[in-house]
Amino acid sequence: GENVEQHPSTLSVQEGDSAVIKCTYSDSASNYFPWYKQELGKGPQLIIDIRSNVGEKKDQRIAVTLNKTAKHFSLHITETQPEDSAVYFCAATSYNNNDMRFGAGTRLTVKP
Amino acid sequence: DAGVTQSPTHLIKTRGQHVTLRCSPISGHKSVSWYQQVLGQGPQFIFQYYEKEERGRGNFPDRFSARQFPNYSSELNVNALLLGDSALYLCASSLANTTRALLSGELFFGEGSRLTVL
Repeated sequence: GENVEQHPSTLSVQEGDSAVIKCTYSDSASNYFPWYKQELGKGPQLIIDIRSNVGEKKDQRIAVTLNKTAKHFSLHITETQPEDSAVYFCAATSYNNNDMRFGAGTRLTVKP
Repeated sequence: DAGVTQSPTHLIKTRGQHVTLRCSPISGHKSVSWYQQVLGQGPQFIFQYYEKEERGRGNFPDRFSARQFPNYSSELNVNALLLGDSALYLCASSLANTTRALLSGELFFGEGSRLTVL
C-alpha cells in the first residue's frame, strides 16, 4: 500500500519569509496529491491539490510542485503571515482507491 | 450551505464501553469516509461508504463498524473501547459519484469527535 513521509515535523519562520514542506510517496499508481491545513480544534481543510498530469500549481501565496519520477511533492508558502500558523498535512491517493494516505504533519509557526 | 457536521464534539468513555459517532455529509455528497487521528499524527483511514455500501476498510479491528443511511448520513461504532482508541474521529464527505472513481477529488472534513477513553 501507499506510504507517505513528510518533512520537517516542525517549521518556524519569520513573518514574510517562505516556508517549504516536502513529502514523498511510495505507490507509483497514486495520482492525486492534496494538501490540508488543520487549525487547533478543527478538521483538516484543503488548501491546494495537484493531479499527476501537471508538475506545478499555484494559488496566490501557495504553490505545489510534483515530481512523479522521484515520487515527491512539495508545498511552498510565500510571504508567510501569522495566520498561516497551523499543522499542514500532505496526502496521496489514486482515483480508484478509497484510502487517502496522509503524512504525519508539519507544525508551521510564523513569528510576527 | 452547511458543511460536514459531526456529533458529539467531545465525549469521555471508560474501557470496555461502546461508542457511536454520527456524521452528516454535505448536501449532495453520497460518499462518507471515517478517519482516526491520534494526537500528533495524520488521519488514518477507517472506512468508506458509498450509496450505503462499504467500499473500503482500513487496518482496524472488527470492534470498529459503520453504516450509512438512505439520507447518506453515517454512524461509526466502536465496541469494547481500549485506551488506545482515544483520538479525534473525523468524518469526510466527497462528490464521488461512480464506483470507479470512489475518490474523485476533494475530501471535505468535519471538525471531528474527540473521544477520550479512561
